[in-house]
Amino acid sequence: AQSVTQLDSQVPVFEEAPVELRCNYSSSVSVYLFWYVQYPNQGLQLLLKYLSGSTLVKGINGFEAEFNKSQTSFHLRKPSVHISDTAEYFCAITYNQGGKLIFGQGTELSVKP
Amino acid sequence: GAVVSQHPSRVICKSGTSVKIECRSLDFQATTMFWYRQFPKQSLMLMATSNEGSKATYEQGVEKDKFLINHASLTLSTLTVTSAHPEDSSFYICSARVAGDRELFFGEGSRLTVL
Repeated sequence: AQSVTQLDSQVPVFEEAPVELRCNYSSSVSVYLFWYVQYPNQGLQLLLKYLSGSTLVKGINGFEAEFNKSQTSFHLRKPSVHISDTAEYFCAITYNQGGKLIFGQGTELSVKP
Repeated sequence: GAVVSQHPSRVICKSGTSVKIECRSLDFQATTMFWYRQFPKQSLMLMATSNEGSKATYEQGVEKDKFLINHASLTLSTLTVTSAHPEDSSFYICSARVAGDRELFFGEGSRLTVL
């Protein structure tokens, strides 16, 4: 069975500081990986995705993530966060074309001035 | 990106009534739509997968007769919560996928409150 673990439920950080949100997955087959952001009372917006190719993926809003197959990780990073980055972030995987997304538990990023 | 719209965004109903939530893909044809449920401060739980023109596939533990899903066209799926009870209060989110694509596009979510 496939699963996703987000190691930090809450990450407080000061504005303009770097941040890393951790995501590990478990799967016996190859997976495709995603990071989504959710603002309060809204749906999910795709930040970035890894399907194949370069393991360093750049997304919207200055976020990037690196796929590490040996460590089964897909950590999300941003070198300098803004107050507007305060939101819930979800890591997700799918393992086949047309398959369902499996979500991690979410990480609440709180950016303080 | 593709746009998925949900309606209503908020609904309050009395216990025992039924509520219908619509999910529309506005600028693409969605062969597959997914319905998720999200409790406060928690992750998304997949409820069911619906393919246009066929019966929905429900996840284990989800009551088919309580959560009726219809995917009658390539741009519309509906979730009907029948005989709603307070414990059905939640945030329901739909998502849609274009055939052959791995990316999911999400609706804005619908918050259901059952009194």
